[in-house]
Amino acid sequence: EAQVTQNPRYLITVTGKKLTVTCSQNMNHEYMSWYRQDPGLGLRQIYYSMNVEVTDKGDVPEGYKVSRKEKRNFPLILESPSPNQTSLYFCASSRQGMNIQYFGAGTRLSVL
Amino acid sequence: RKEVEQDPGPFNVPEGATVAFNCTYSNSASQSFFWYRQDCRKEPKLLMSVYSSGNEDGRFTAQLNRASQYISLLIRDSKLSDSATYLCVVNGGGSYIPTFGRGTSLIVHP
Repeated sequence: EAQVTQNPRYLITVTGKKLTVTCSQNMNHEYMSWYRQDPGLGLRQIYYSMNVEVTDKGDVPEGYKVSRKEKRNFPLILESPSPNQTSLYFCASSRQGMNIQYFGAGTRLSVL
Repeated sequence: RKEVEQDPGPFNVPEGATVAFNCTYSNSASQSFFWYRQDCRKEPKLLMSVYSSGNEDGRFTAQLNRASQYISLLIRDSKLSDSATYLCVVNGGGSYIPTFGRGTSLIVHP
């Protein structure tokens, strides 16, 4: 089954404790991206990757890092989480950026 | 930067009603267009692509107006299960990055 898998689905952490949210897709897609969604603000892109070893900032990259060492994986790293990063996060992939986006089920993060 | 705009709603309609949403975009060179549906706290899922000639999928009709730079989604015979947020997505026009609207909330009541 074609899918985008995010883990964990729910995470409560404390300020400053490094965390990683994993994202994996099994569709051999070149394009992957991370979004955060907050009430009233819609989906905002954090980072995206056009292919392996090619990443670029989206609209709200501050406080986040990503890496794309393999085509299927695109982890999101919060080196020092802060409460303003409390949000619902989605990973997405597509054959190319202009094509249909497939989303993971989301990660609900709370930073205390 | 408001490249893709949608009326956030909510649109409150009774079952069986016909409802339409518009989504305007600013980049005239945009090339591909989609409507996604998002249920509360769930991931967005593709509802339908939008083709230049317009397209229909059951009760849903999508249209593109390039001259006025908007896409539309028409839902006929609304069902309770249509209650969701509808996101428009615009691609292309010099960028390979999709641009999402903030979504339009639809509430269908009995």
